[in-house]
Amino acid sequence: AQSVTQLGSHVSVSEGALVLLRCNYSSSVPPYLFWYVQYPNQGLQLLLKYTSAATLVKGINGFEAEFKKSETSFHLTKPSAHMSDAAEYFCAVISTGYSSASKIIFGSGTRLSIRP
Amino acid sequence: SQTIHQWPATLVQPVGSPLSLECTVEGTSNPNLYWYRQAAGRGLQLLFYSVGIGQISSEVPQNLSASRPQDRQFILSSKKLLLSDSGFYLCAASSFRTGGTDTQYFGPGTRLTVL
Repeated sequence: AQSVTQLGSHVSVSEGALVLLRCNYSSSVPPYLFWYVQYPNQGLQLLLKYTSAATLVKGINGFEAEFKKSETSFHLTKPSAHMSDAAEYFCAVISTGYSSASKIIFGSGTRLSIRP
Repeated sequence: SQTIHQWPATLVQPVGSPLSLECTVEGTSNPNLYWYRQAAGRGLQLLFYSVGIGQISSEVPQNLSASRPQDRQFILSSKKLLLSDSGFYLCAASSFRTGGTDTQYFGPGTRLTVL
């Protein structure tokens, strides 16, 4: 069964600093992986997704993630944090890749705070 | 691209009262539809999913039920709300294509408070 683990429920960085949010996955088949962002009292917005094409995936708002099979990781990064990046971030994996209804397994989330 | 609507945006209901939350999808046909609940300070829990009209799969036993009366309409209901039903309810939709990625897109959510 597939699963994801997000390391660190809360990450705080200074404005302009590197953002690194960690995600490790477990999957018996080649995974499809996602990062979503959730701003307060809003739904989830897709940041980026990995679908077995390029291992470095670029998303919206300057975020990117690198798929590393050897480390079973899919960490999210952004070179320079902005105050507007403060939000909850969820890593997710599709539990079944080829059925008629793929179910997404979400990590527990990482709350990102930005210090002025 | 698809757009997902949810209403109401917020709802305050007394314990024991009924519930009906609605989700509608634009911009795609025959989507897979999902209901999630996000309790305060916790992650997302999948409640129900549907691959077609009248086809509902339940993930967890609970006080809630779901229905899909039309292709792009998904309803979450309860006959009698419990305090533990409070939370943020999210509807999601995806358009699965064989050999493709079943990416889920989310609605804006409904904040339910049961008093």
